[in-house]
Amino acid sequence: NAGVMQNPRHLVRRRGQEARLRCSPVKGHSHVYWYRQLPEEGLKFMVYLQKENIIDESGMPKERFSAEFPKEGPSILRIQQVVRGDSAAYFCASSPRNMNTEAFFGQGTRLTVV
Amino acid sequence: QQQVKQSPQSLIVQKGGISIINCAYENTAFDYFPWYQQFPGKGPALLIAIRPDVSEKKEGRFTISFNKSAKQFSLHIMDSQPGDSATYFCAASWVAGGTSYGKLTFGQGTILTVHP
Repeated sequence: NAGVMQNPRHLVRRRGQEARLRCSPVKGHSHVYWYRQLPEEGLKFMVYLQKENIIDESGMPKERFSAEFPKEGPSILRIQQVVRGDSAAYFCASSPRNMNTEAFFGQGTRLTVV
Repeated sequence: QQQVKQSPQSLIVQKGGISIINCAYENTAFDYFPWYQQFPGKGPALLIAIRPDVSEKKEGRFTISFNKSAKQFSLHIMDSQPGDSATYFCAASWVAGGTSYGKLTFGQGTILTVHP
């Protein structure tokens, strides 16, 4: 998991606010994945992005959640109008390409909605 | 179809003992089965992985056993050490389907405690 940088590490938001989570992949990696981990549960896939493209968003809630991976800069997971049920650890992983290479995980952002 | 079921939920082992964690999957299209280790406050780190064309893979004290017909795979940690105390997740992916090694279906996790 070396090299995937997520910030902030901890984020506290009041209900109704927006949460913005950032992920800088390993240098040279062009594929990014976002996962959500609820307390005492496994990680759940949310979205798979390449530079400027959403490849698979089958795990994303239909409302309030969005993700992007621009040509320049980090990948952003945005949660609008947060609710208490959004409280979780959000992990980002990156890989250099989609085949034959494992994905490396960051240390996560712990979101707490109060 | 997409579930991966993991057991036990928690496991306590004495130092030097063998830790065994089991997983079962439903989707026969899965063709990549990694195990991840996660310490508190950290992200998951790949421990060992197997493809279904082999029945066993060993790396140091860690061994994956894979039973394709039963759709089950397990992690064995030999000579368990207190430093192995962590949460272990099995996972599965359908790489041949183009979904990549990064889109994983995870099990629920096993909290392993190794007593000195």
